[in-house]
Amino acid sequence: DQQVKQNSPSLSVQEGRISILNCDYTNSMFDYFLWYKKYPAEGPTFLISISSIKDKNEDGRFTVFLNKSAKHLSLHIVPSQPGDSAVYFCAASLHNNDMRFGAGTRLTVKP
Amino acid sequence: IAGITQAPTSQILAAGRRMTLRCTQDMRHNAMYWYRQDLGLGLRLIHYSNTAGTTGKGEVPDGYSVSRANTDDFPLTLASAVPSQTSVYFCASSHGVNTEAFFGQGTRLTVV
Repeated sequence: DQQVKQNSPSLSVQEGRISILNCDYTNSMFDYFLWYKKYPAEGPTFLISISSIKDKNEDGRFTVFLNKSAKHLSLHIVPSQPGDSAVYFCAASLHNNDMRFGAGTRLTVKP
Repeated sequence: IAGITQAPTSQILAAGRRMTLRCTQDMRHNAMYWYRQDLGLGLRLIHYSNTAGTTGKGEVPDGYSVSRANTDDFPLTLASAVPSQTSVYFCASSHGVNTEAFFGQGTRLTVV
């Protein structure tokens, strides 16, 4: 039973437009949320995170939004660039370091 | 700067054999993790360790064991491999609670 769900396996956007990747979770005890980016044949790399006490965190072109009541978070990338094409994983962590991941969304940014 | 090193990078293993995947980090991180990545299922947590001497079970611990004798090393052992354990295995580490994890390059394991 996956506690972190990414229901869109793929997303395609035009260069320069906004990319919105979504993630839902079921365990209300999660208190820290992260997004990772993964290229083929490499390990995931950390992108951005948010604590459960916040509802927004921004880092350059990347913004993560958290809606605790809906148990939903999203990653906005604006403007999207071809180099952003990768698989994006949402992750959620319990306070004991138990960190769970979603199935991933493959983002393709077309020039 | 090494970060996290996994070995081997790939392995073909006969079913029923014992195999240990190695993971070493040089960042003095307290927490370490093992995940497996399967198509459509993303990354699933196998085992984790909050600090040397402690381990915990993740989502899919059956068929796997871990040990954390020191801060740097976190080996994952398959006592008797089965074909369903064919996967890409990632080791990761983090400084502590609610911090980002750093991942190794992965070990591609095929059990035949």
